[in-house]
Amino acid sequence: QVQLVESGGGVVQPGRSLRLSCAASGFTFKEFGMHWVRQAPGKGLEWVSIIWYDGSNSYYADSVKGRFTISRDNSKHMVFLQMNSLGPEDTGIYYCVRGYYAGYPPFGLWGQGTLVTVSS
Amino acid sequence: DVVMTQSPLSLPVTLGQSASISCRSSQSLVDSDGNTYLYWFHQRPGQSPRRLIYKVSNRDSGVPDRFSGSGSGTDFTLKISRVEAEDIGVYYCMQGTHWPPFTFGPGTRVEIK
Repeated sequence: QVQLVESGGGVVQPGRSLRLSCAASGFTFKEFGMHWVRQAPGKGLEWVSIIWYDGSNSYYADSVKGRFTISRDNSKHMVFLQMNSLGPEDTGIYYCVRGYYAGYPPFGLWGQGTLVTVSS
Repeated sequence: DVVMTQSPLSLPVTLGQSASISCRSSQSLVDSDGNTYLYWFHQRPGQSPRRLIYKVSNRDSGVPDRFSGSGSGTDFTLKISRVEAEDIGVYYCMQGTHWPPFTFGPGTRVEIK
């Protein structure tokens, strides 16, 4: 079954860190770039980060640059988002999303999301 | 960054009637490779977004042909003909030409009258 399953969300105090994980299955994970997209409560979608298929390159939204780090382990079919110096503005659902590979336009596969709440 | 705008932000529709959502970008979305990377997504309440359309007008597998995308340059439209109850939710456009960042529109909430 082709799917993405996120985990690692929870309640965290401002200034603390959290690491999100995304497990991929049902497709050749190592060939696809991967994204994180988030959604604040009751708000729209915000792209967060992308990592290349081989982990060689990554980009971030300005709102998280310097605080978040995306990484992946192709041997385990996993992608991660290390989030540091969290603030209330980082509260929301974080979605893992499949990126581009030849013949497969990006953003066609989304996980169910994991909720991050930053609150004291 | 490319700014994406949508109108209307709220769209009450009658079942069986058609609906159109406009999406505009702050600059042309035509890439140097000649493609236009404009996508449409649908998010039902409590669910993850689902891609409907890629590269302006290409319907994803399993998406009813009631959905169609059109446009060019900076102006794009998603049309839903014969709206059904399952079509309610929020529709987002997104550009993937000038990244990073990828940018989404604010969303259009479709509800049944």
